[in-house]
Order: sequence, then structure tokens, then C-alpha cells
Amino acid sequence: AQRVTQPEKLLSVFKGAPVELKCNYSYSGSPELFWYVQYSRQRLQLLLRHISRESIKGFTADLNKGETSFHLKKPFAQEEDSAMYYCALSGRGRDDKIIFGKGTRLHILP
Amino acid sequence: NAGVMQNPRHLVRRRGQEARLRCSPMKGHSHVYWYRQLPEEGLKFMVYLQKENIIDESGMPKERFSAEFPKEGPSILRIQQVVRGDSAAYFCASDKGPGRTDTQYFGPGTRLTVL
Repeated sequence: AQRVTQPEKLLSVFKGAPVELKCNYSYSGSPELFWYVQYSRQRLQLLLRHISRESIKGFTADLNKGETSFHLKKPFAQEEDSAMYYCALSGRGRDDKIIFGKGTRLHILP
Repeated sequence: NAGVMQNPRHLVRRRGQEARLRCSPMKGHSHVYWYRQLPEEGLKFMVYLQKENIIDESGMPKERFSAEFPKEGPSILRIQQVVRGDSAAYFCASDKGPGRTDTQYFGPGTRLTVL
């Protein structure tokens, strides 16, 4: 079954501390993995995707196929990072839809 | 480019009434997706459409729910005879279609409240 699991509903981290948002997936094949972010009163937007291997706003995520994980990391949290974060996956077929996890709310403490 | 537009932003209906949610994709995007977010839940895929064609409706409840994306005008998600359990945020996203070389862009959502 295709599934994305984000085990933490809420994660509170002090400003300046490292952040790691966990994401595990289940998929038969080679999926494409994403992280989306929703800041307060804003729409959902793409943060990063594993194929582009880029760092956005200091965040990175490495696809670990052995552990089927795609954890989101940032070395030093900033207050503006407080938001809802969704991990998602998609197959590579032309009609494949994106499957989202339940989301983790990241709260940066001053 | 105004991005993906959804209206109304908030919709209140009484049980048994119909709810119509509209989504206008980004300019140049030909594919639309609808998602539902129940309280305390993640986004759940409902339906994937291109103009005049439903590609994947595997996430749509079999009854009362329907979606269309006509040749002209916005995509419409229609819920007939709403029940309290339909109360949720409904998000629309659009992209350029097959291959997904572009990312999906999301609308601001419509919050449906069923009294």
C-alpha cells in the first residue's frame, strides 16, 4: 500500500537548535518525494523535492531508500520556520497522484 | 499570474443542501486536483481532472460527490445532500500535467461547514 507516515503531530524546537521532521513512506517502486509547507494564513507550497537535491530556506532532505525515509532537516531553527509541514510522495507515471502525510506542526520557541 | 483561485473561501450549508466549490487553475495549467482535509487529518486525494476528462477519481466517495472541469470555466467540486461529516477544508491544486516537470500549485482552500 502507498502510504506516507509523519509520526509527530507537533514538534517544538528552540530557536537556533537543529530541526528534524520525520517522514517514512511505503511504496512499491521508485517514488518521487516532496516536502510541502503551509505558513500561517498562507496556502500550501512546495518546499523541496528529492530529485532537485536543493536546499531551500536552509532545509535539506535526503532520500534513504534502505530505511524508506525522507526526513527534513535544518541545522539552526529560525522563528519564521514555524509552520505546518507535509511530506508527500508520487509515482512517476503520467497519471500518478500525490499522496500526503498527516503533517507535522513545527513550533519554534524563542 | 494570480495563482490558483478558489471560491468561496468559506461556505456554510445546512444538512441536505448542496455545496459547490470552484477552482480556477493557474494560467497555463491544464490539470486540476482536489484534496480534502478533515480536522486533525492530512490532505487526502479526491480526484484528478484535465479539461473535460476525469483521470483518477479513486479518492471520491461513491455517492453525493462529483467533479468536473469543463472546457471553459473553473473546475467544480459538487457535494449533494451534505452531511456534518463533509465539514472540512477542500483544497485544489493545478499543474501542467503528465510528467509533472512542474510542481503542483495549491489554492487557498474552501472551508465547508455543515450545520
